[in-house]
Parts: sequence; C-alpha cells; structure tokens
Amino acid sequence: GDSVTQMEGPVTLSEEAFLTINCTYTATGYPSLFWYVQYPGEGLQLLLKATKADDKGSNKGFEATYRKETTSFHLEKGSVQVSDSAVYFCALSRGKLIFGQGTELSVKP
Amino acid sequence: KAGVTQTPRYLIKTRGQQVTLSCSPISGHRSVSWYQQTPGQGLQFLFEYFSETQRNKGNFPGRFSGRQFSNSRSEMNVSTLELGDSALYLCASSLGSGDKETQYFGPGTRLLVL
Repeated sequence: GDSVTQMEGPVTLSEEAFLTINCTYTATGYPSLFWYVQYPGEGLQLLLKATKADDKGSNKGFEATYRKETTSFHLEKGSVQVSDSAVYFCALSRGKLIFGQGTELSVKP
Repeated sequence: KAGVTQTPRYLIKTRGQQVTLSCSPISGHRSVSWYQQTPGQGLQFLFEYFSETQRNKGNFPGRFSGRQFSNSRSEMNVSTLELGDSALYLCASSLGSGDKETQYFGPGTRLLVL
C-alpha cells in the first residue's frame, strides 16, 4: 500500500544552518505531496505542496521538489531560524492523507 | 477567512464513557476529515465526510463514528472509551473530496482517558 518514510529525528541545527529533511514515498501513480508543520500544542499547518512530478513547492523560505524518479519530496531551507523549531510531517494524498512519522527540528541560537 | 475550529480543546473522560468532538470547517469547504495523533502510532486517518456522506473510512473499530451536517460542520463520537483512545484528534477541511484537494487543519482536541 501507499506509505511515506521520513528521516529519523530529532535534528538539531544552529541558527542560519542549512536544513534538509528527507522524505520518500511509495505509491501508485502520482499523488499530491505535502509538508505540514506542527508547533508545540498546536494542530498541523500546511507548509507547502506539489501536485505533479517536477513541481516545486515553496513557502517561508522552505522548498521541496516532487521527484518521481527517486520518489522523493525532500524539504530544504537555506538558513533556519530558532522559530523554525517544530515537528515536520511529509504526507501524500489519496483523498485521505498518509503521513510520515514526523521529524522534530530543534534550532539553537 | 476563519480557519478550522474544533471544540472542546481539551477533554478528560474515564474509561467506558463516550465523547463527542465538534469541528467547524473553513467557510465554503464541504469536506471534513478526522485524524488521530498519538506518540506511538503517529497520525492516522479516521474518516472523511463530504456533503453529509461518509466517503472514506480508516481502520478503526466501530466505536469511532462521525457525521456531517448540512452546514458542513462535523462531529465525531467515540463510545465506550478505552485508555488507548487518549490522543490528539485533528479535524481537517477541504473544498472538495479527492487526491488533489488540500486539507487545512484545526488546532485539535486533546482527549485524555483515565
């Protein structure tokens, strides 16, 4: 069946470091792909999305490219801030969302 | 435009009781989905309602049920609560139903079963 795999966390970075969170998926066809972010005590916020192969989603300095060849949708940001500390979820859509296990990011000043 | 709202935000119940959670979608959205989030199982899909009809259902026991009203508001009910039902319950809404829709989440209802 469909599934999403994310890199294990927690990830700890210094402020202004480069961020990559790996996400790979298993699915038939080309589902829409999403990144959501969850801050402590809150629900999920949509960070970015891509609906077809080679699409690049971007928002707030974060980017991810839908790569069908490698079935990946890695999240990147050039310079992280303390305020980016949160848990990040990669997901694919089959009507319902199928989530990865989440990656906790901690950014230190 | 107001986001997805969920009530109550926090709830404490005891085993064997039942609970009803409420979700109001973004105005104009006709699809509402529910998810359960736990540390052990992560985020799992419960069910989706679109135009008052259940469109999709996850792998949860029949104790978990839901409904949607004509104004697209949705409720989920859990009967005969078990300790393992302690979780954050998230509601998400989207304009329509299908693979290409974007789901927007509410803040969640945190349920603790004692």
